[in-house]
Amino acid sequence: QQQVKQSPQSLIVQKGGISIINCAYENTAFDYFPWYQQFPGKGPALLIAIRPDVSEKKEGRFTISFNKSAKQFSLHIMDSQPGDSATYFCAASNNTDKLIFGTGTRLQVFP
Amino acid sequence: DAGVIQSPRHEVTEMGQEVTLRCKPISGHDYLFWYRQTMMRGLELLIYFNNNVPIDDSGMPEDRFSAKMPNASFSTLKIQPSEPRDSAVYFCASSLIPLVTGATHQPQHFGDGTRLSIL
Repeated sequence: QQQVKQSPQSLIVQKGGISIINCAYENTAFDYFPWYQQFPGKGPALLIAIRPDVSEKKEGRFTISFNKSAKQFSLHIMDSQPGDSATYFCAASNNTDKLIFGTGTRLQVFP
Repeated sequence: DAGVIQSPRHEVTEMGQEVTLRCKPISGHDYLFWYRQTMMRGLELLIYFNNNVPIDDSGMPEDRFSAKMPNASFSTLKIQPSEPRDSAVYFCASSLIPLVTGATHQPQHFGDGTRLSIL
């Protein structure tokens, strides 16, 4: 019940396209859903996060869509750029500072 | 402000040897986390500290692993004896206490990791 399931494992998108990564959870006590971005040789870094009281959060080209009833949330990257090529992790937390991470999605954006 | 600093960046050692990984969190951060990243298992939380006290070590794989935080600016993760299956990238992360800042959650700031290879 503590797992966060992430898909797809890898994603190839053409420059200018939309990248979509999905995550699902079981624990209804989760109250914080961040996305982290990791470049090769670096540690993950917070990209964007959402609380369950809103259905969508947008920051620039990055949007989180949240469906509380389905227990799913997704990251949309609009106008994907080669510089967005990285590994993306979704995560969840239940009112603690402990994050449960998804297994990661390797995104490659080709020019 | 400097980020989380981990050392060494790379470590190659033979099976059975003791391995010590080091972490300096961001100054003023109250939480410190140790993670292990592998292709098979992704990013796993091993242990985390709050104000230098271990809070949850349920992710530590076995007794060969131990972690300490003797003061607010330094932590170690030790593996003794090391085994080939311990090969992974180990990350340290730190964060602020949310209540202090008024937010419900604070981002975790990761170091660049230690790539550990056990031969």
